[in-house]
Amino acid sequence: NAGVTQTPKFQVLKTGQSMTLQCAQDMNHNSMYWYRQDPGMGLRLIYYSASEGTTDKGEVPNGYNVSRLNKREFSLRLESAAPSQTSVYFCASTLTGGAAEAFFGQGTRLTVV
Amino acid sequence: GQSLEQPSEVTAVEGAIVQINCTYQTSGFYGLSWYQQHDGGAPTFLSYNGLDGLEETGRFSSFLSRSDSYGYLLLQELQMKDSASYFCAYPLDKIIFGKGTRLHILP
Repeated sequence: NAGVTQTPKFQVLKTGQSMTLQCAQDMNHNSMYWYRQDPGMGLRLIYYSASEGTTDKGEVPNGYNVSRLNKREFSLRLESAAPSQTSVYFCASTLTGGAAEAFFGQGTRLTVV
Repeated sequence: GQSLEQPSEVTAVEGAIVQINCTYQTSGFYGLSWYQQHDGGAPTFLSYNGLDGLEETGRFSSFLSRSDSYGYLLLQELQMKDSASYFCAYPLDKIIFGKGTRLHILP
């Protein structure tokens, strides 16, 4: 039982390049989330998907797009990377929206130069 | 708006007890969760309070007072491995996190 799996673990991009961060969970969870974490800023919600087929903006959605491909997979796309998007990205899932316990992937450390 | 406030850093001595506070503002409230994150790692769930009072899980306890919009995480018998960041969070249709409290433990 892998839980939440994120790929890649590390990535370096040049300004203007695009990339997709992949996330998959095998816990049959309905809700999935993408966060970014910067020093002193905690975990800030980028986008979330309360259930398969729905996505909603979080606190910091600008510069990102998401796709809930199916119940298991929720991807985050950076269309034109900027240095301000240098961060650690975490994918998480919960059984339902409002569930007490979230399960996190191991994170993607992204550097945009 | 919705927000959670917690101290940015707390320092304590190995073997002692430390309390990490969290105050919140939200239009709807279902409960308060706590997470631990070691450097370079992912957040992991510690505890949840859906009702007022104390929840105990081993050396860790968490408390909630909904009338005061306040909760805390209590860590007892501190060990060096407890050096980490601790986040309070409230789960709504999405999960909102506080900015985290960095716990430093002195030998």
